[in-house]
Amino acid sequence: DVKVTQSSRYLVKRTGEKVFLECVQDMDHENMFWYRQDPGLGLRLIYFSYDVKMKEKGDIPEGYSVSREKKERFSLILESASTNQTSMYLCASYHPAGEYYGYTFGSGTRLTVV
Amino acid sequence: GENVEQHPSTLSVQEGDSAVIKCTYSDSASNYFPWYKQELGKRPQLIIDIRSNVGEKKDQRIAVTLNKTAKHFSLHITETQPEDSAVYFCAASNPLGYSGAGSYQLTFGKGTKLSVIP
Repeated sequence: DVKVTQSSRYLVKRTGEKVFLECVQDMDHENMFWYRQDPGLGLRLIYFSYDVKMKEKGDIPEGYSVSREKKERFSLILESASTNQTSMYLCASYHPAGEYYGYTFGSGTRLTVV
Repeated sequence: GENVEQHPSTLSVQEGDSAVIKCTYSDSASNYFPWYKQELGKRPQLIIDIRSNVGEKKDQRIAVTLNKTAKHFSLHITETQPEDSAVYFCAASNPLGYSGAGSYQLTFGKGTKLSVIP
């Protein structure tokens, strides 16, 4: 099975802190994504990456940045956490073909900013 | 960009009945339409998908239909069981592959909470 692992299941951070959310996949996928999930709003794309050191803004990139130094790891960075960034964050990797094609999601990180 | 509308937001059915969830999309270039099931506290999992060259696809009790002309697609679950209770998300994607940045990102609907009553 494809594994997408998010380093933390729950995080509590203070307003203004710099926050790193880590995501690692083990299937050599080129495409990785960060979504946030909020009740009634579904999944909204923050950033995605289609190659090492490449990144593209999604629908709601404000207040976030990303880093992809290695193919297997895609990090989401909250430069200065704010309470409106309290949410569930889901990482996904994508492969366009083969046995495990499609999106595979991580288990999510529930971030609370106080 | 793509916009995906999903209805209803909540759906309750009796065990054994059928459930239908409908989605519409805006970008006629989209050609891949997956459905995800997310159980409480778990990650979304792909349950079925359809590509635009096919009008219908079935996998046991679940089926998806696609009407490209009307730009809508639907998930059908027959003989529902309590374990079908979850949030279901539809999504639409621009053409798959590496034809350019952003050509394979999914846009999701807002989800449907399905409750199957025993």
